[in-house]
Amino acid sequence: LAKTTQPISMDSYEGQEVNITCSHNNIATNDYITWYQQFPSQGPRFIIQGYKTKVTNEVASLFIPADRKSSTLSLPRVSLSDTAVYYCLVGSLIFGTGTRLQVFP
Amino acid sequence: EAQVTQNPRYLITVTGKKLTVTCSQNMNHEYMSWYRQDPGLGLRQIYYSMNVEVTDKGDVPEGYKVSRKEKRNFPLILESPSPNQTSLYFCASRPNAGGSYEQYFGPGTRLTVT
Repeated sequence: LAKTTQPISMDSYEGQEVNITCSHNNIATNDYITWYQQFPSQGPRFIIQGYKTKVTNEVASLFIPADRKSSTLSLPRVSLSDTAVYYCLVGSLIFGTGTRLQVFP
Repeated sequence: EAQVTQNPRYLITVTGKKLTVTCSQNMNHEYMSWYRQDPGLGLRQIYYSMNVEVTDKGDVPEGYKVSRKEKRNFPLILESPSPNQTSLYFCASRPNAGGSYEQYFGPGTRLTVT
């Protein structure tokens, strides 16, 4: 299983773009990259999933370079309600400890 | 509305008193799983089920049992709860074991064992 590494925490301000990078050096050929968001005392919520290049939906964008050894979740113009923990998963449903994003006014 | 429901949402019990946390999904999903979440440890998978009558251990199965007699239900059973099972529990489901890793999570059950 691919091991993932992401920052423990990040701070941002409302209206800024936030990029959270996840490293996964031993990603396997068939592995997809999936990101979840979790608010306190709630279950995680699926945000986005991708295999290569770029994926965009109404919530976020996911950038995956050609070597696929990392991925970046991009949240455009964050608001206070984006304060949450963000998890990067690779080829499995194993959650790490995630990145705690704090958005300030 | 498509959803995963869990009951109870909060439970305080004593050591050794058997309990069951129910989980139900209305999306006809084949795959269901249970997680526990503890501070500093993230979410850890307890058990999962790929379909009716098919269950398997996750990363932390000790002290737990599950059953999958119907597609929609996946109860978590603690035969003899202990204080180290005090945690926040989440049930989740997804269409099947392959393909997308988009899972739908329930609202959580906060269990305290004294």
